[in-house]
Amino acid sequence: GQNIDQPTEMTATEGAIVQINCTYQTSGFNGLFWYQQHAGEAPTFLSYNVLDGLEEKGRFSSFLSRSKGYSYLLLKELQMKDSASYLCAPRDTGRRALTFGSGTRLQVQP
Amino acid sequence: DAEITQSPRHKITETGRQVTLACHQTWNHNNMFWYRQDLGHGLRLIHYSYGVQDTNKGEVSDGYSVSRSNTEDLPLTLESAASSQTSVYFCASSERSNTGELFFGEGSRLTVL
Repeated sequence: GQNIDQPTEMTATEGAIVQINCTYQTSGFNGLFWYQQHAGEAPTFLSYNVLDGLEEKGRFSSFLSRSKGYSYLLLKELQMKDSASYLCAPRDTGRRALTFGSGTRLQVQP
Repeated sequence: DAEITQSPRHKITETGRQVTLACHQTWNHNNMFWYRQDLGHGLRLIHYSYGVQDTNKGEVSDGYSVSRSNTEDLPLTLESAASSQTSVYFCASSERSNTGELFFGEGSRLTVL
């Protein structure tokens, strides 16, 4: 089976740093996606990690620890436009399609 | 530019009616997916297809069907709409089945009265 846990909501201040955690269980693992979804819009791809460690992409970084079944998304220098839901999606080799967590709704305040 | 489009974007229907949501992609992707999104549940997989004439059930497939007669289209049909199927529906496609990034359509908001 597959369990994916993320915090439901988080609040942070403009200019700050926020870390959104995701823990997962898969029958077989083949990488993990992070997607961003603004209210009323479609999810869009942020990052994909398949090996352990930190992948940096501008203000956003994503970390993976396969042995711990753990990933986080790190957002630096927060901007108001970063207010959105962030979806964690580990790829399970026992499943033929991607399964998503319930998402973390991030609210950035001035 | 290649894209993925859904129609209609908004629809209101009555219980018991048949409804079809269209999904069309121009990337020539073999893999196409339908998800529904509800508060507290995130994105849940309804059906998916890995190529023409291939269709597979996802975790919440009851009451839904799909068909894949060509590469570009994967219409989702609600055979007899129920109020529990009120939701936002997202179609997605990907190039590779197991590692490819998903590209999502804009979503179709369906209300069943």
